Amino acid sequence: AQKITQTQPGMFVQEKEAVTLDCTYDTSDQSYGLFWYKQPSSGEMIFLIYQGSYDEQNATEGRYSLNFQKARKSANLVISASQLGDSAMYFCAMRGPLGFNKFYFGSGTKLNVKP
Amino acid sequence: GAVVSQHPSWVICKSGTSVKIECRSLDFQATTMFWYRQFPKQSLMLMATSNEGSKATYEQGVEKDKFLINHASLTLSTLTVTSAHPEDSSFYICSARGVGQDRTQPQHFGDGTRLSIL
Repeated sequence: AQKITQTQPGMFVQEKEAVTLDCTYDTSDQSYGLFWYKQPSSGEMIFLIYQGSYDEQNATEGRYSLNFQKARKSANLVISASQLGDSAMYFCAMRGPLGFNKFYFGSGTKLNVKP
Repeated sequence: GAVVSQHPSWVICKSGTSVKIECRSLDFQATTMFWYRQFPKQSLMLMATSNEGSKATYEQGVEKDKFLINHASLTLSTLTVTSAHPEDSSFYICSARGVGQDRTQPQHFGDGTRLSIL
C-alpha cells in the first residue's frame, strides 16, 4: 500500500527567503509519480510540480523545485524567494503504478509567509 | 489548460435535504472522475472513483447509498448527498483524468463545494 507522510503541520518563513516542505513516501512499486499541490484558503487545488520515479533530474517549475531522493523515499518541495501569496496549505501526493489512477495525499503543511 | 468546473461552490440547506454537486470537465473528456471530502485543516479523503458509463467504486467506509455518484457522460459526474445531516457538512472536491492523459500529468481539480447542513 502507498503512504505519504508530511511531518510539518505548520511552517513559517520570512518573505523572500527559501523554504523546504518535507514529504516522504512508502511504496513497493518501481513506477510511480509524485506531485505537489497548493491549496489557498479559497479551497482550490493548484498543481505545482511533478516528479517521476524514473526521472534522473530533480523537477523545477519557476520558484518551485523538488528535492527528490529516491533511496530515502523523500520528495521535498523547495520554494525559493517566498512571497506573501505563497501562504497556503501544501499537499504532497503520489500516484500509483501504471493504470492505477488513485492519488494518495499527505496530511499537508500550512505555510505562513511573514512580511 | 484543462479546466474542471464544480457547482455549486457553496450550499446551505436544512437537515434531511438531498444535495447534488456537479463536476464538469470543460475542455477535455474525462474518463475518470474522483470525489474527495475534506474536513477543516485535514487532507483530502478519496470517497469514490467514477468511470463514465459504469458504477462508481467507493472507498472503504463510504456509504454508497448515502453518496450517490453518477458519471453519465465524458464531461459530467454528479455527487448526490442524500438526506443530508449536519455531520455531512464538509468541503467536497472533484478531480478528473482525461482520455489519453499520461501518467506524468496531474489530476485536474474543481474549485470545491462547501456544504453546510443546518
